[in-house]
Amino acid sequence: DSGVTQTPKHLITATGQRVTLRCSPRSGDLSVYWYQQSLDQGLQFLIQYYNGEERAKGNILERFSAQQFPDLHSELNLSSLELGDSALYFCASSVLAGAGTDTQYFGPGTRLTVL
Amino acid sequence: GENVEQHPSTLSVQEGDSAVIKCTYSDSASNYFPWYKQELGKGPQLIIDIRSNVGEKKDQRIAVTLNKTAKHFSLHITETQPEDSAVYFCAAARSGSARQLTFGSGTQLTVLP
Repeated sequence: DSGVTQTPKHLITATGQRVTLRCSPRSGDLSVYWYQQSLDQGLQFLIQYYNGEERAKGNILERFSAQQFPDLHSELNLSSLELGDSALYFCASSVLAGAGTDTQYFGPGTRLTVL
Repeated sequence: GENVEQHPSTLSVQEGDSAVIKCTYSDSASNYFPWYKQELGKGPQLIIDIRSNVGEKKDQRIAVTLNKTAKHFSLHITETQPEDSAVYFCAAARSGSARQLTFGSGTQLTVLP
């Protein structure tokens, strides 16, 4: 158990809908990262937050957005869902943003299925 | 941006044999190279990592080597056991304020009893 929690574990929805994925980082971690894992694209970095502020953006679609709240949990919002958004979404957390011992610990993921 | 290539995509070994997985990266500024193990239905789990000021690192049956000149790094698992069967991912990242990981495509390791 990494200490990172994600809810829900599974999510099934229809095209055009909007969903919210939630992540709670390990106790003491200030950074949260979101990754998407699909069969054709592998594991891809989406976005990073550090202590409530956006720190880096990767291959995140404009239909997707995220935020980190004062209690450090994070939410990933996916809107206007398409079939191709079906994937595993992982959250990872680390102590600091890019420090020398900045190991990322992954949560168990949320499996999103868009029908 | 960074590009990480990983080989092989699948690897089968007999229990007790060694397994080697290789990765190459493109960004010479990358200096952090973790390896993750992902079991079915679970999130990636860090098993070992190496930084660019080190050429080799060992942790029991697992070792990682890094060749910065050639821009490649490898994972070595000795005395493999059935519970080592999983998908293994290499990754690379730069230091700095945003340490986003660029992952390889993964290696499905199967240890045959």
